[in-house]
Amino acid sequence: EDKVVQSPLSLVVHEGDTVTLNCSYEVTNFRSLLWYKQEKKAPTFLFMLTSSGIEKKSGRLSSILDKKELFSILNITATQTGDSAIYLCAEYIDNYGQNFVFGPGTRLSVLP
Amino acid sequence: KAGVTQTPRYLIKTRGQQVTLSCSPISGHRSVSWYQQTPGQGLQFLFEYFSETQRNKGNFPGRFSGRQFSNSRSEMNVSTLELGDSALYLCASSLSGTGGVNGYDEQFFGPGTRLTVL
Repeated sequence: EDKVVQSPLSLVVHEGDTVTLNCSYEVTNFRSLLWYKQEKKAPTFLFMLTSSGIEKKSGRLSSILDKKELFSILNITATQTGDSAIYLCAEYIDNYGQNFVFGPGTRLSVLP
Repeated sequence: KAGVTQTPRYLIKTRGQQVTLSCSPISGHRSVSWYQQTPGQGLQFLFEYFSETQRNKGNFPGRFSGRQFSNSRSEMNVSTLELGDSALYLCASSLSGTGGVNGYDEQFFGPGTRLTVL
């Protein structure tokens, strides 16, 4: 069964800092890698990555995938207190229908 | 457009009881997936329904079951509850589950049902 590992599991920074969150995955039936932000209850979608080396950006957030080394990073620049959340990485597996394997998440706390 | 709704939001049960959770997907979405989230195990995939058929199932015991109705609403049932079943149960809907150029169809999550088993 595929496994997704995230690091660090917890991170505390101050506003304005830049953070890098890591996600490594296994390759069996890999289709794409996804990043979600979970603040209170429901995770919200951030990025989907399918091709290596192509950076996806949304405001201060960006993410990139390395399919050779089987990892992805999520960068957040100029962090704000509103970025405090759990960031989940998930591998989308090519099964009939959707099958997602989630990592444990990185809990990010941004202090004022 | 209304989002994914789940009922009830909170539930307290005792060991041995059974429970049914409900999920209403976004209008037009035909795929509904269920997840269990616990502090120890994180987010784990339970199963996915599409057009009233279970298409995929995670590694959970047979006490966990589900169904989907013709209007795409889905229910999840857990029988003979155990203390370890205490968790946040999330459902997510998407258009087709296998659509999209890259085989990914974005999922939208509901707010979850917090189940506590005493």
